Amino acid sequence: EDQVTQSPEALRLQEGESSSLNCSYTVSGLRGLFWYRQDPGKGPEFLFTLYSAGEEKEKERLKATLTKKESFLHITAPKPEDSATYLCAVHLGEYGNKLVFGAGTILRVKS
Amino acid sequence: DVKVTQSSRYLVKRTGEKVFLECVQDMDHENMFWYRQDPGLGLRLIYFSYDVKMKEKGDIPEGYSVSREKKERFSLILESASTNQTSMYLCASSLDGTDFNSPLHFGNGTRLTVT
Repeated sequence: EDQVTQSPEALRLQEGESSSLNCSYTVSGLRGLFWYRQDPGKGPEFLFTLYSAGEEKEKERLKATLTKKESFLHITAPKPEDSATYLCAVHLGEYGNKLVFGAGTILRVKS
Repeated sequence: DVKVTQSSRYLVKRTGEKVFLECVQDMDHENMFWYRQDPGLGLRLIYFSYDVKMKEKGDIPEGYSVSREKKERFSLILESASTNQTSMYLCASSLDGTDFNSPLHFGNGTRLTVT
């Protein structure tokens, strides 16, 4: 069965304290891996798409990397405004852009 | 910017009622989706549609149906609401199902409570 697991479930950081979120997957036919950010009371907002092992994408303090079994979202020198739930999803390549989501990591950054 | 609008932010319904959740997107996207989001379970796909009048079951379609009469509008219907359908419902759209670069754009969700 296709599965996506995110860890940790929750992470508390001090402002400026860098860390990483993990997304591991056991799927066949991976066509892409997506990262989304979700703020309380809002829908998820697209961050990155990664397609092949070794690929990296960056946006401000965030960097996403991909291996054959997992992806990491590295957060460098986080700020309180980076607090959100980060969701990982894998694209199975079926027609219609179907994604399988992980349960998310809740990140809190304290000043 | 793509806008996906869900008609209600909060809904409270009684068990057995028929419930309609409406979603409209303004970017001429081909694909539209309905997910539900529950703590610890992530987003689970209920139904999706890749064209007008077309629909496909997702992972948890039981107790739900959908309607897509116009390209911009995708409705989720709870035929007879039950308490286990209390959840956050998220609508999303994407440009083209054959374009793997096309991310999903989400609405802000409808929090449904069934009592």
